[in-house]
Amino acid sequence: SYELTQPPSVSVSPGQTARITCSGDALPKQYSFWYQQKAGQAPTLLIYKDNERPSGISRRFSASRSGTTVTLTITGVQAEDEADYFCQSSDAIGAYQVFGGGTTLTVL
Amino acid sequence: EVNLVESGGGLVQPGRYLTLSCAASGFNINNFAMHWVRQVPGKGLEWVSGMDWTSYNMAYADSVKGRFTISRDNAKNSLFLHMNDLRPEDTALYYCTKDGSASRQFFQYWGQGTQVTVSS
Repeated sequence: SYELTQPPSVSVSPGQTARITCSGDALPKQYSFWYQQKAGQAPTLLIYKDNERPSGISRRFSASRSGTTVTLTITGVQAEDEADYFCQSSDAIGAYQVFGGGTTLTVL
Repeated sequence: EVNLVESGGGLVQPGRYLTLSCAASGFNINNFAMHWVRQVPGKGLEWVSGMDWTSYNMAYADSVKGRFTISRDNAKNSLFLHMNDLRPEDTALYYCTKDGSASRQFFQYWGQGTQVTVSS
């Protein structure tokens, strides 16, 4: 079955830039999406269709793709950004949806 | 305002069945794909099942295929997940989600979830 691979954790100091990667063979063919989940809450959509931000999402959040890897970039990290981040996409033919394992962002 | 409210979770014995419901408001579910996503507390997200706007294109994760059935009632603006032959590994918080498109792609809005616990 198709898998997306994320690092389990990323740590940054306030004000620095955090980068979270997500790798998958079908990423060049399918849109990627990112979700933020804070402790005790349901996930929320952060990035859709590779690099679009829903209304209300800070411009500090952006995403890009290079080959089979997509990267979520958070600039000027703040304490409130501490959360779990999940990438998501579809398999090569769009038959089913899949999540990455998630990355815990720790703000030092 | 989009709102999704799940219900129907609870404690159930292995091998038994359960039906989850999701009441949607603020949009018409017949115009969008809809999904169920689950999460074991402290673990990652797992897509369970989804259906496109036509209700004819349905898909299931391998872990639930043949046991779970997704359906919807457009008149009631509600989504359902019929779960049969439940196993302990199905224990999770189940989220109802609205796709951002008519075909199955992503999870634009999420409910707060309903807990399913499978245990004897």
